[in-house]
Amino acid sequence: DIQMTQSPSSLSASVGDRVTITCRASQSISRYLNWYHQKSGKAPKLLIYAASSLQSGVPSRFSGSGSGTDFTLTISSLQPEDFAIYYCQQSYSTPYTFGQGTKLEIK
Amino acid sequence: QVQLVQSGAEVKKPGASVKVSCKASGYIFTSYDFNWVRQATGQGLEWMGWMNPNSGNTGYAQQFQGRVTITTNTSISTAYMELSSLRSEDTAVYYCARDSMVRGVTHMDVWGQGTTVTVSS
Repeated sequence: DIQMTQSPSSLSASVGDRVTITCRASQSISRYLNWYHQKSGKAPKLLIYAASSLQSGVPSRFSGSGSGTDFTLTISSLQPEDFAIYYCQQSYSTPYTFGQGTKLEIK
Repeated sequence: QVQLVQSGAEVKKPGASVKVSCKASGYIFTSYDFNWVRQATGQGLEWMGWMNPNSGNTGYAQQFQGRVTITTNTSISTAYMELSSLRSEDTAVYYCARDSMVRGVTHMDVWGQGTTVTVSS
């Protein structure tokens, strides 16, 4: 199975900050990497697919980059509604696997 | 609009089975695969398996092999996930999620609201 490791596990930031979350795969997954966020008590929501493509309706302050084993999700200017848990997920091969999550909290 | 609506919360005893449904609307049901993902309280996301409603092909995560069955009823645009031999560790929220593909990359673009399954004696 492909292991996905996110860093950091938690992050405190302020509204307006620029934030970057990293995801590393245990083997090369090309660009088969998706990002989701999840608010408390809600289903995950797709933000970025194929490493860098913005899902329809997602604000442009979210961006993704990377290929192979190393990927990043960047939020250019944090908004109050962005405080959530962020997950990366590989769709290179089954079983699909998720990172352990990064909890983004208000400073 | 495109949406997935799941069945309500379940409470089951250890050793029993549970069957969760996921009704799709707003798109052609047979054009997209389904995934099932679960999340224990305070934990991360765990992929369980997938199904192609058109071909009937399925795939399951090794840790659920023999205990999970994913099916669909295309006449009512509904997917199902049945988990048997339940144990307390199966207590979790279970999600269905539609699989879309763009440029060969699959991603879960629409999610159900989640179904809480509690396993307790």
